[in-house]
Amino acid sequence: NAGVTQTPKFQVLKTGQSMTLQCAQDMNHNSMYWYRQDPGMGLRLIYYSASEGTTDKGEVPNGYNVSRLNKREFSLRLESAAPSQTSVYFCASTQALDGYEQYFGPGTRLTVT
Amino acid sequence: KNQVEQSPQSLIILEGKNCTLQCNYTVSPFSNLRWYKQDTGRGPVSLTIMTFSENTKSNGRYTATLDADTKQSSLHITASQLSDSASYICVVSASGTYKYIFGTGTRLKVLA
Repeated sequence: NAGVTQTPKFQVLKTGQSMTLQCAQDMNHNSMYWYRQDPGMGLRLIYYSASEGTTDKGEVPNGYNVSRLNKREFSLRLESAAPSQTSVYFCASTQALDGYEQYFGPGTRLTVT
Repeated sequence: KNQVEQSPQSLIILEGKNCTLQCNYTVSPFSNLRWYKQDTGRGPVSLTIMTFSENTKSNGRYTATLDADTKQSSLHITASQLSDSASYICVVSASGTYKYIFGTGTRLKVLA
């Protein structure tokens, strides 16, 4: 079991460029999440997917889009990157919503110049 | 407003010593509280989970306590090791929602 995997591990973008962060889990979990982690702040939820075929906004969705491709995969897209999106991005999954343990990927460190 | 506050922000201790990290929360309705350990450059990993009715939960050298009346939790680390150097994050779940409210973490450094 690989758990939750994320690609890439590191990325540098110029302002205005686009990219997609990939996330996959092999635990047969129903729910998946995208967070960003910035210095001095707790993890903040960008988008989540309660189950295959559904996605919803979290606290900080502006500038991002997501796709729940299938039960295993949940991608995060930045259409036009901005310096404010420089952050570490974590994908997580749980069996279901409502308090189940979250399993996190290793993170993607994104720098936008 | 749902919030989780942790203290101290950072802590330095000598190997073999004990320490206690604090977490205060205002999350309603409360579902459960978790402590996560996050090593540098990695994702958080769950250490303990506590529900409303639990006061104490141990995981090896880690012991978490919960006082649901005062909405406070602590994580006690016994006989610290160099590998305990990490950030420790308190996370509270709101019942019936997708919401996991994260604290900003306590950065612990254990020195030889």
